[in-house]
Amino acid sequence: QVQLVQSGADVKKPGASVMVSCKASGYTFTSYYMHWVRQAPGQGLEWMGRIDTHSGGTDCAQKFQGRVTMTRDTSINTAYMGLNTLTSDDTAIYHCAASLVPGVGVRSFDHWGQGTLITVSS
Amino acid sequence: DIQMIQSPSSLSASAGDRVTITCRASHDISNHLAWYQQKPGKVPELLIYAASTLQSGVPSRFSGRGSGTDFTLTISSLQPEDIATYYCQKYDSVPFTFGPGTKVDFK
Repeated sequence: QVQLVQSGADVKKPGASVMVSCKASGYTFTSYYMHWVRQAPGQGLEWMGRIDTHSGGTDCAQKFQGRVTMTRDTSINTAYMGLNTLTSDDTAIYHCAASLVPGVGVRSFDHWGQGTLITVSS
Repeated sequence: DIQMIQSPSSLSASAGDRVTITCRASHDISNHLAWYQQKPGKVPELLIYAASTLQSGVPSRFSGRGSGTDFTLTISSLQPEDIATYYCQKYDSVPFTFGPGTKVDFK
């Protein structure tokens, strides 16, 4: 079965950087994009960006440009999301998500990682 | 970027009620829209994709309609396990923006 297993919670100080990992299993990792979505406490879902796990190419939301890095290691079927210059506004649960839904042009997220809580606090 | 607007932001209904949530895109997104359900403390779950296709395993009381800019999610008969926040999401092109969510609870 498809599984996305993320790294554990972390606490960072303002100005620091963080990296979250997402290990995929149960499907061909390089055939599907990996997306990153975050959710601040009590807030809604926010799409951050995606990585083409085959080519390594990335797209990200404008508000994260210059601050987010998305990479992957195809030898271990793992995607990574790095975020730098952290502030308290970056305190959130970060999810990886993938769309394995069949159908041309369907890119909704049917598989999600369990989420990684990143707390930014001095 | 295309904005996604949901209404209402919250609603209260009774068990058995018909509930409808609206999602509007600021530009035409064809049928490239998904609906998700998120229960407190849980990971979001895909309910509907391609605006009206029910994800496998989702109860048939959920349905989606729409195309272009206007979409609806309907729960035909609200059940206790449907208490959650519902999000729409566009996926025609990046960014894959989510709507702000609609919180559904019991009256």
